[in-house]
This record gives sequence, structure tokens and C-alpha cells, in this order.
Amino acid sequence: DGGITQSPKYLFRKEGQNVTLSCEQNLNHDAMYWYRQDPGQGLRLIYYSQIVNDFQKGDIAEGYSVSREKKESFPLTVTSAQKNPTAFYLCASTSSKGANVLTFGAGSRLTVL
Amino acid sequence: QQQVKQSPQSLIVQKGGISIINCAYENTAFDYFPWYQQFPGKGPALLIAIRPDVSEKKEGRFTISFNKSAKQFSLHIMDSQPGDSATYFCAASTGGYSTLTFGKGTMLLVSP
Repeated sequence: DGGITQSPKYLFRKEGQNVTLSCEQNLNHDAMYWYRQDPGQGLRLIYYSQIVNDFQKGDIAEGYSVSREKKESFPLTVTSAQKNPTAFYLCASTSSKGANVLTFGAGSRLTVL
Repeated sequence: QQQVKQSPQSLIVQKGGISIINCAYENTAFDYFPWYQQFPGKGPALLIAIRPDVSEKKEGRFTISFNKSAKQFSLHIMDSQPGDSATYFCAASTGGYSTLTFGKGTMLLVSP
């Protein structure tokens, strides 16, 4: 079945550590996105990529980094510079250059101890 | 700056009742308005969407009403069921290469 796979589903890290969240899609979608979800805050865009080897900052990119070396993969690194990293992270993709129909993964919950 | 304002933040409806969630926007360039449904521990999924050339779109028990002059759109869930209990997000985009801007979400609980 086609879809988006995010891993790990749950992740704990200590303050000061970088952590990388994986996102893989087999939908042959061009564009991929990372959102952060906090209670009562909705979905906030971190980074997005519309083509391999290119990506743009979203609304809350500070403290995060991404890469897009393959069409299928869009990993997100939460760096130690992110002041409040505990959150639910969602990866999404879409087949069009516009973001009209997003397919989301099941999410990764990061907790900083 | 929040470009899409969603209300209420939470909603409790009895089984069989009508659930209504409202969203308002400022950017008149928005031309696509989807609603996403998210169950606990899962990613959101597209529920229904509308473009501003129509005032209403219905899919089963779910209806979007759109008021272009008021810059508002709403989701109506008729005959609400406990299985509809989820968080609902409205969103908007300007199309083309733009990204979606989401509202803050409404947590709906349908009581049996």
C-alpha cells in the first residue's frame, strides 16, 4: 500500500542532543512537508521541499534542519538550538506543486527529558 | 500572525445532533479551503474541500458552507456519530506553489 512512513513513532532525548526523524513516501509525490503540532496550536509548517535537493523554510524553521537527497525521503533534524522541541511532528506529501491535497504520515512524538 | 481563525476550540455534541465548526480568513487571495480530520495518535486526513466559486459542497453527512463576502467558511456534520469524535482543522491556500495555512483545530466529542 502506498503511503508515508514516519519513524520512530515515539522518541525521547536529553536536552542538548540532536535527533533525526525519518519520513519516507512511496507515493511518487514531488513535494514533502514537515509540520509541528502542539495542543491548541494547530499545524505549523517547519520546512518543505518541492523538488529534490531544494527546500524552503516554513513559519517555524529555527532550530530545525532538513535534507532532500532522494524524492522518497525528507528527514528532519531537531537540533539542540530548538528551545522547545517536545511536540508531535507530522510529515506530509503531495503530488502537485501546490499543496492542495496533503497526505500525512502517522507522526512522531518527540519528548525531551 | 494567524491567517485562519477557527472556532470553537472544543465542541461537545450529542449523537444525532449537528456539529458546526467555523473558520474565518483575511487573505482574499485564498482560493482553496479544505477540512482535515485527525484521530488521536494519527495524522490528519483530507475530509472535504471547497473552492470559492461555489457556496456549498456536500459529501455524505459533511457539508462545507462558504461565504466569500464575509470571508468565512464552516463545516457542518449532520447526524453526528461517536465515530466522528476527532480534531478538525480548516485550512486555506492561494493555490499554485503556495502552502496550506491551518486553523488551530477543533476537538469534537460526540456523546453516545
